Amino acid sequence: NAGVTQTPKFRVLKTGQSMTLLCAQDMNHEYMYWYRQDPGMGLRLIHYSVGEGTTAKGEVPDGYNVSRLKKQNFLLGLESAAPSQTSVYFCASSYERLYEQYFGPGTRLTVT
Amino acid sequence: QQPVQSPQAVILREGEDAVINCSSSKALYSVHWYRQKHGEAPVFLMILLKGGEQKGHEKISASFNEKKQQSSLYLTASQLSYSGTYFCGTEGSGGSNYKLTFGKGTLLTVNP
Repeated sequence: NAGVTQTPKFRVLKTGQSMTLLCAQDMNHEYMYWYRQDPGMGLRLIHYSVGEGTTAKGEVPDGYNVSRLKKQNFLLGLESAAPSQTSVYFCASSYERLYEQYFGPGTRLTVT
Repeated sequence: QQPVQSPQAVILREGEDAVINCSSSKALYSVHWYRQKHGEAPVFLMILLKGGEQKGHEKISASFNEKKQQSSLYLTASQLSYSGTYFCGTEGSGGSNYKLTFGKGTLLTVNP
């Protein structure tokens, strides 16, 4: 039982490049979330999903897209990376809305 | 809107007590507390629901004042392992938000 895993752990991109971050969970959770964490800012929600095939915008969705084609996977895409997207990205999942969120180990992304 | 946490940082000696506060400008349905150690993912501590229900950690207590839109986390007889950054996440009332807005965090340092 791996919990929540994220791929990759680290990545350096040049401005304008694109990439996809993969989040996978093996707990059969309905809800999945993508957060970014910047120094002194706490965790800010980018996008979330309340079930397979559904996605919704969070607080800071601009510049990101997501897909949830399979229940266990939640993908976060950056179409044209910008230096402002340099951050640590965390994926999380939960069984339902008012249950604890389990976080993945994070992806450290640097955009130069 | 991001909830406001206070204090921003606190330093304790082992065995001392601490209170961390979380305040929102809007009506709340639930408050969630997480702890994050440096370089790691956030870990769930507790959920407090409107109406008084609580779910979470046995050794940590918290309160939720619905009228004042405030929550407090009580750490008693602190241990070295309590060190980390504590985040509160709030869910607005209305029952269909499905997402948390996190505060900027409170850094707790416990020294021997």
